[in-house]
Amino acid sequence: RKEVEQDPGPFNVPEGATVAFNCTYSNSASQSFFWYRQDCRKEPKLLMSVYSSGNEDGRFTAQLNRASQYISLLIRDSKLSDSATYLCVVPRPTFGDGTTLTVKP
Amino acid sequence: ETGVTQSPTHLIKTRGQQVTLRCSSQSGHNTVSWYQQALGQGPQFIFQYYREEENGRGNFPPRFSGLQFPNYSSELNVNALELDDSALYLCASSFDTSDRVRNEQFFGPGTRLTVL
Repeated sequence: RKEVEQDPGPFNVPEGATVAFNCTYSNSASQSFFWYRQDCRKEPKLLMSVYSSGNEDGRFTAQLNRASQYISLLIRDSKLSDSATYLCVVPRPTFGDGTTLTVKP
Repeated sequence: ETGVTQSPTHLIKTRGQQVTLRCSSQSGHNTVSWYQQALGQGPQFIFQYYREEENGRGNFPPRFSGLQFPNYSSELNVNALELDDSALYLCASSFDTSDRVRNEQFFGPGTRLTVL
């Protein structure tokens, strides 16, 4: 089993839709979690940090479920500019392989 | 921009050669991590340097080695290059403390290595 697992997608959604990604992790001792966004052929950029049960930043909400060992990322009112690959990170750090989102007009 | 820079941006080598990639961390950061990212995959952790000492290593052979300098910049060296080493190599810097709290990492633009 991989240390961090994500649904690779792709998720194809219309503008304005709400979309959620899940990420499961195997190390129950992990204390901090991150979501990164990576555009095609670019470096990953930090989107959100999750240290407790969750975090909200505008249209983006990250939630942590320690009992089930997963974190989720919810994007509300999707924009075309949200099209990217979303990477879940659990330190050591270990990256998931990413979930690809395409938002269509 | 994150303030993390990498050089070179692109590199072409042949099998068996050696390569050195460089990374300058963001001002104030003391930790540098290196990753290998193949197409369609997430970044794979190679190793991390904290205050000039190796602080964790992923599942990479010894021909992948590194250094961190007093100014916290870093090098990744790969010997005896293989075709499968072709990938995007990313470095990320962060500020960590002695209790090894894993803080947010900020990535450089990467070096794209092609091995022929």
